[in-house]
Amino acid sequence: GAVVSQHPSWVICKSGTSVKIECRSLDFQATTMFWYRQFPKQSLMLMATSNEGSKATYEQGVEKDKFLINHASLTLSTLTVTSAHPEDSSFYICSAQTSIHTGELFFGEGSRLTVL
Amino acid sequence: AQSVTQPDIHITVSEGASLELRCNYSYGATPYLFWYVQSPGQGLQLLLKYFSGDTLVQGIKGFEAEFKRSQSSFNLRKPSVHWSDAAEYFCAVKARDFQKLVFGTGTRLLVSP
Repeated sequence: GAVVSQHPSWVICKSGTSVKIECRSLDFQATTMFWYRQFPKQSLMLMATSNEGSKATYEQGVEKDKFLINHASLTLSTLTVTSAHPEDSSFYICSAQTSIHTGELFFGEGSRLTVL
Repeated sequence: AQSVTQPDIHITVSEGASLELRCNYSYGATPYLFWYVQSPGQGLQLLLKYFSGDTLVQGIKGFEAEFKRSQSSFNLRKPSVHWSDAAEYFCAVKARDFQKLVFGTGTRLLVSP
């Protein structure tokens, strides 16, 4: 199956700093990527939908100025958590859509962010 | 409103016993249906999917799921559970004309010796 890679897999940062997480589709072109957030022992919450070359569409309640998403190419999307605070600590997972016709998504390994 | 329900938060099964995890959805038309598994601290792995055709779908690791339109259900089954199957299982649904994949709340499977 298609491979989606996330980097870094874990990151620790100080409060007030910004952190960038990369999501790459390794063997296919992804016109659409999705970013999810997962709190401990909870389900995945969709944060935003990222389409290549256009602005991301954010879900209700997600601060677009805090969670900057860029999808500059067909194989790379980035999530930048700006001015991070401890409450931003979470597991962030990206996914990429291989075909708009099949609707199947493939997921990255996730990135665990800890803000001190 | 569109929703996905996994009524069981936790399930404990003895190793070697059969397993069924429930998933119900509420959508206007038959959506795409998926089951994913997540081990602690890991990403999601696709177990199986239903798009159309045969309502009994075979997946990886010996899992299968059956789509029942009349019940709006897509339950996951395995005839004999192994200790390595202990993980979190998510049912997910995607409308055919819409991009978003919506996840259920998940079911944590515990396997007892």
